Amino acid sequence: DVKVTQSSRYLVKRTGEKVFLECVQDMDHENMFWYRQDPGLGLRLIYFSYDVKMKEKGDIPEGYSVSREKKERFSLILESASTNQTSMYLCASRTGGNQPQHFGDGTRLSIL
Amino acid sequence: RKEVEQDPGPFNVPEGATVAFNCTYSNSASQSFFWYRQDCRKEPKLLMSVYSSGNEDGRFTAQLNRASQYISLLIRDSKLSDSATYLCVVNNPSGSARQLTFGSGTQLTVLP
Repeated sequence: DVKVTQSSRYLVKRTGEKVFLECVQDMDHENMFWYRQDPGLGLRLIYFSYDVKMKEKGDIPEGYSVSREKKERFSLILESASTNQTSMYLCASRTGGNQPQHFGDGTRLSIL
Repeated sequence: RKEVEQDPGPFNVPEGATVAFNCTYSNSASQSFFWYRQDCRKEPKLLMSVYSSGNEDGRFTAQLNRASQYISLLIRDSKLSDSATYLCVVNNPSGSARQLTFGSGTQLTVLP
């Protein structure tokens, strides 16, 4: 079974802090993704990566950056957290081709 | 037009009922189709892939209609535990790793 692990289930941070969300997958998948999900808005893609050190912007990259130094790990960084970044953050991975994505448990982030 | 469109519902059905969801997609070149299930405050989980000839997994049947560009999910003999949001997922054959597009989901509540 594919395992995608996110570092925290719940996180509370303050406005202006730099926040790191970590994601690790154990299936040697090339592709990794960060989404946020808000009520009524569905899944929105923030960033994705198709290889080590490679990244591409998704639909809503503003205020975020990512890092992929190793194939199994994909980090999402909130450079200066703001209250409108309070959300559920979901990491996903998948191999190439047309395979489905596998999600981590999600991180519920609150910015106060 | 959205790439993937679903009726958001909610669908409220009694236990034992049969319920069907449709999902339309805009890119006629799409090749891969999936249904995911998402429980409240949890991550999306793969329910089933959708194959050209249609496929069944227990009480769940998925169909693909390429001519009309829609996929469907039929749930027979609904159980209380089927209550969830069902996400339609379609690949976007752009050659990018960002290939899967998620619908906004259809909410199902099965009532006792």
